[in-house]
Amino acid sequence: QKEVEQNSGPLSVPEGAIASLNCTYSDRGSQSFFWYRQYSGKSPELIMFIYSNGDKEDGRFTAQLNKASQYVSLLIRDSQPSDSATYLCAVLYSSASKIIFGSGTRLSIRP
Amino acid sequence: NAGVMQNPRHLVRRRGQEARLRCSPMKGHSHVYWYRQLPEEGLKFMVYLQKENIIDESGMPKERFSAEFPKEGPSILRIQQVVRGDSAAYFCASSPLPPTSGVRMTYEQYFGPGTRLTVT
Repeated sequence: QKEVEQNSGPLSVPEGAIASLNCTYSDRGSQSFFWYRQYSGKSPELIMFIYSNGDKEDGRFTAQLNKASQYVSLLIRDSQPSDSATYLCAVLYSSASKIIFGSGTRLSIRP
Repeated sequence: NAGVMQNPRHLVRRRGQEARLRCSPMKGHSHVYWYRQLPEEGLKFMVYLQKENIIDESGMPKERFSAEFPKEGPSILRIQQVVRGDSAAYFCASSPLPPTSGVRMTYEQYFGPGTRLTVT
């Protein structure tokens, strides 16, 4: 089992709709969870961070965490073409010495 | 305040040569991480260093790869006797705090632009 799993996509969503990205992780003791956005040929940039169960909203982005199910998701409301990118889920392991990344989900917003 | 700097941005090496990748963290950051990204794949953790110390190198291949972060100067990721499979983007990230701080507070790693290594 992979440590952090994501569907590779591509996920195609019409402009203005909600994009839903999902991630599961294997380390039950993990405490903190991150969503990074990476445009092609560029470095990752952090867009959301969450460590408590429930929802965390920041503008058009909402991160959702369910530690019992070992599941974290990212919702993007009112999707824009500029949201087209690869989204990487990352988990701070309970050993707290490293962050483990998933393989990423490619999101494509179609006009 | 300059961001994380990596050089070179592109590096071409023939099989068997050595590759040296450099990373200068953001000012005031003493925690450095190296990741490797193969095409169409996510980031693979390689090593976590603090000044003059390797904290976690569990993601680094046992042979040919080494990393250091000296008291003065940039962090260096060294790959000896490169092979074609080493071709990838290598990203460095830095943070002002250790990862343990991320258990209960915002924790962020700032990424450099990456070095794209091509082995011919």
